[in-house]
Amino acid sequence: GAGVSQSPSNKVTEKGKDVELRCDPISGHTALYWYRQRLGQGLEFLIYFQGNSAPDKSGLPSDRFSAERTGESVSTLTIQRTQQEDSAVYLCASSLEAGRQETQYFGPGTRLLVL
Amino acid sequence: KQEVTQIPAALSVPEGENLVLNCSFTDSAIYNLQWFRQDPGKGLTSLLLIQSSQREQTSGRLNASLDKSSGRSTLYIAASQPGDSATYLCAVGDYKLSFGAGTTVTVRA
Repeated sequence: GAGVSQSPSNKVTEKGKDVELRCDPISGHTALYWYRQRLGQGLEFLIYFQGNSAPDKSGLPSDRFSAERTGESVSTLTIQRTQQEDSAVYLCASSLEAGRQETQYFGPGTRLLVL
Repeated sequence: KQEVTQIPAALSVPEGENLVLNCSFTDSAIYNLQWFRQDPGKGLTSLLLIQSSQREQTSGRLNASLDKSSGRSTLYIAASQPGDSATYLCAVGDYKLSFGAGTTVTVRA
């Protein structure tokens, strides 16, 4: 079956522009997660959704970052007024539920470069 | 805050040798530990998930152990192959995973 998909795969933008990153989870997965991986660093948790609600947004680095999910399916991560330090690979994952014993399945990521 | 450390950062072995990758974490109150594989330019592939009540998990040539009391997990890969070359990440948590920086493995043919 289809895995987690993300688009675009690569994005180059100019500092100050807004960008939207999209994630399509595995069909039937109610939980969706966003992580960020900056060059040479480990993955950082950003936010997760259970259904269309986001119980934990604690990892969002600033108010320039926001995310939404609709129809318990697609999610969009929006970064406003991008900065060079936002350059990273943004990874999305999904799981059946947001349970403590659930395997998270990751997409290929979106590579964002802010010039 | 949970800190996850992976040692070594890089490892190069000849084909056929067994691999031993180490992961340590600071907060033993974890719900699960997962091992992932990351290939260049690709996302993460889940290898094994060990629930907090378990001591080990096995899948084919892979075996992962978990010792919560000492805050350690070890991933063993038997009879390594060039196709095992990748970065291996361990992560602990529940819905919010804390990741180590990874061990980059090269298996020489």
